Amino acid sequence: ETGVTQTPRHLVMGMTNKKSLKCEQHLGHNAMYWYKQSAKKPLELMFVYSLEERVENNSVPSRFSPECPNSSHLFLHLHTLQPEDSALYLCASSHTRTGRFTDTQYFGPGTRLTVL
Amino acid sequence: AQKITQTQPGMFVQEKEAVTLDCTYDTSDPSYGLFWYKQPSSGEMIFLIYQGSYDQQNATEGRYSLNFQKARKSANLVISASQLGDSAMYFCAFSSGYALNFGKGTSLLVTP
Repeated sequence: ETGVTQTPRHLVMGMTNKKSLKCEQHLGHNAMYWYKQSAKKPLELMFVYSLEERVENNSVPSRFSPECPNSSHLFLHLHTLQPEDSALYLCASSHTRTGRFTDTQYFGPGTRLTVL
Repeated sequence: AQKITQTQPGMFVQEKEAVTLDCTYDTSDPSYGLFWYKQPSSGEMIFLIYQGSYDQQNATEGRYSLNFQKARKSANLVISASQLGDSAMYFCAFSSGYALNFGKGTSLLVTP
C-alpha cells in the first residue's frame, strides 16, 4: 500500500448504529487530519493530530470521536449520527513542524457516508 | 480567520488550450502557504502545486503553474495544454497553521 488509504469507501448506516472509519498513511508523516465535505460546501477541518496528540477540534459534535493510536493510523468513531452528517469524509496526512504552517497534506480517497 | 475566494463556479476550456483558475485570499499573517488541489468525480483530493509566501519565484509543476501576486493576494492556477482528464473540481487552499482553509472550488470542463 502506498499513500493514504481509507476504509470503507462507502458506508450506509442508521441513526442508531455505531461505526468507525479507518485511515492509514504510508508516507512517514507525523500529522493526520479529518475533513468533512458536504454537498455545495467547502471542506471543513474536523480534527488534527500532530505526533499523536489532538491539537485542534473544530467544534465538532461529540457524536464524532477521533482516535489516533500511532502516527500511521487514524480512526473516526461514529454514533447516533443525523441525516445531515451524510458527507464525504476525507483523511489527510503531512509533516508538521513547530512554528510553521502545514506542509503539503496528502489525502486519502475518502469515505462516502450516508445516514438514513 | 483567513478567507479564500474562488469566484468562478464553473469554467470551460477547449482541449490543448490554457486556462486560468482564480483564487484570492485574505490574511494578515506574514508566513503562509498556498495550495491547489484537484478533485475528480471519484472524490480523492489530488495535490497539484504549492507556493510559499516567501518564495521569490512562481511555482511550476509540469503543466501547472501558479501566478502568485502577493501584493494583490492572489494565487491563480494556470493549466497549460488542457487535456480531457483535467475535467474536475479545483480547490485553492490557504494555510498559516495546522489547517488548510479551502475555497468553494471551480468546476473545470475540458471539451474536445
